Amino acid sequence: DTGVSQDPRHKITKRGQNVTFRCDPISEHNRLYWYRQTLGQGPEFLTYFQNEAQLEKSRLLSDRFSAERPKGSFSTLEIQRTEQGDSAMYLCASSPGGATSGYGYTFGSGTRLTVV
Amino acid sequence: EDQVTQSPEALRLQEGESSSLNCSYTVSGLRGLFWYRQDPGKGPEFLFTLYSAGEEKEKERLKATLTKKESFLHITAPKPEDSATYLCAVQASYGNNRLAFGKGNQVVVIP
Repeated sequence: DTGVSQDPRHKITKRGQNVTFRCDPISEHNRLYWYRQTLGQGPEFLTYFQNEAQLEKSRLLSDRFSAERPKGSFSTLEIQRTEQGDSAMYLCASSPGGATSGYGYTFGSGTRLTVV
Repeated sequence: EDQVTQSPEALRLQEGESSSLNCSYTVSGLRGLFWYRQDPGKGPEFLFTLYSAGEEKEKERLKATLTKKESFLHITAPKPEDSATYLCAVQASYGNNRLAFGKGNQVVVIP
């Protein structure tokens, strides 16, 4: 296991189309997170899973966004009816359980979404 | 709401010219403060976690320190390969591991 994998690396879509991204976390990590990052900004939290349960969602996650983590393994993030404002880098991260994660998160390389 | 402010936003250094990056934070109970390095087009790469005021961590030319209101990332005798954006993030004690990030310090080291 070499880290957190995200697919695809790049996605260009037309406004109004639906897109889905996939994240494969480090296998022994039971916590998984999605963040969004726009140019010149730090990552912003979107949602968090512990195993298969989605425990927290940001106000940033509108009704057009949905995330799943079936069986507590990989996760998908779907954006419906994309808008130009959705253009960003979507980052996935995972961490082991426990009160604190001494090594923080491990991030994937992200999926860069461009909505035209 | 947790807030993280990083300064300066951008910094150009000559190779070997030491400097410090600042991260000021406001959080209701600090669980941990994190420093990450991010290269263009890549995800953040973990550097350090600091838990309590007075704590220090070192890795090669980087040293992170923490007070009750801010953290510093000291870069000693930087090399061009230290060019990157350095991100600071805080984790609140009440939260479920969500991190609140600053905008980052973009560092360019000129040979």
